[in-house]
Amino acid sequence: QSVLTQPPSVSGAPGQRVTISCTGSSSNIGAGRDVHWYQQLPGTAPKLLISRNNNRPSGVPDRFSGSKSGTSASLAITGLQAEDEADYYCQSYDSSLSSSVFGGGTKLTVL
Amino acid sequence: QVQLVESGGGVVQPGGSLRLSCAASGFTFNSYAMHWVRQAPGKELEWVAFMGYDGSEKNYADSVKGRFTISRDNSKNTLYLQMNSLRAEDTAVYYCAKDVFGTTPYYFDSWGQGSLVTVSS
Repeated sequence: QSVLTQPPSVSGAPGQRVTISCTGSSSNIGAGRDVHWYQQLPGTAPKLLISRNNNRPSGVPDRFSGSKSGTSASLAITGLQAEDEADYYCQSYDSSLSSSVFGGGTKLTVL
Repeated sequence: QVQLVESGGGVVQPGGSLRLSCAASGFTFNSYAMHWVRQAPGKELEWVAFMGYDGSEKNYADSVKGRFTISRDNSKNTLYLQMNSLRAEDTAVYYCAKDVFGTTPYYFDSWGQGSLVTVSS
């Protein structure tokens, strides 16, 4: 059971908007810890997608955005494209565990 | 550009040992903390270990504490993971990842391609 909870899967048609939630607790997201998001395309290593809740590294399209409120965070993807089909992971730091923690991952299917 | 290249993976029997290496280039290695993250087949990412820029800070996931040892050689720009008393549940692709900070775990801005470790008799 992952410390951060994500839905196992989401789907959407090309051009649509989808969101992926990441729910934590008072020892991680709720404690003010930042949330970061990674995209893992099939058969490849994870890649940083969103850092510090809502910051896009250079090269990441502005179709990707992040937000955080309370003990949860969300990743939004607008204008869905076929190449967005991947696994998405949220990550934060847990003060009780004294460790970095990941969500269980969400598989995005573009219909 | 940042490059992280893992090596040393393979097949090992339960109870055996293996040492992974991660050769870093394209950045000032001795200024940044580094991590090992693993992913069992078809499963989620799991953080394994952290080491600060100079080796003085380190931390481990409970699942590997006492069995795995993280280390680094800044003169060789290389990160290591010594894995002892391996179990079937340690079977995974092991990634090394660069942190954006030097002493405090934060997030991973670069990842290697991964090295597969299979623990099986």
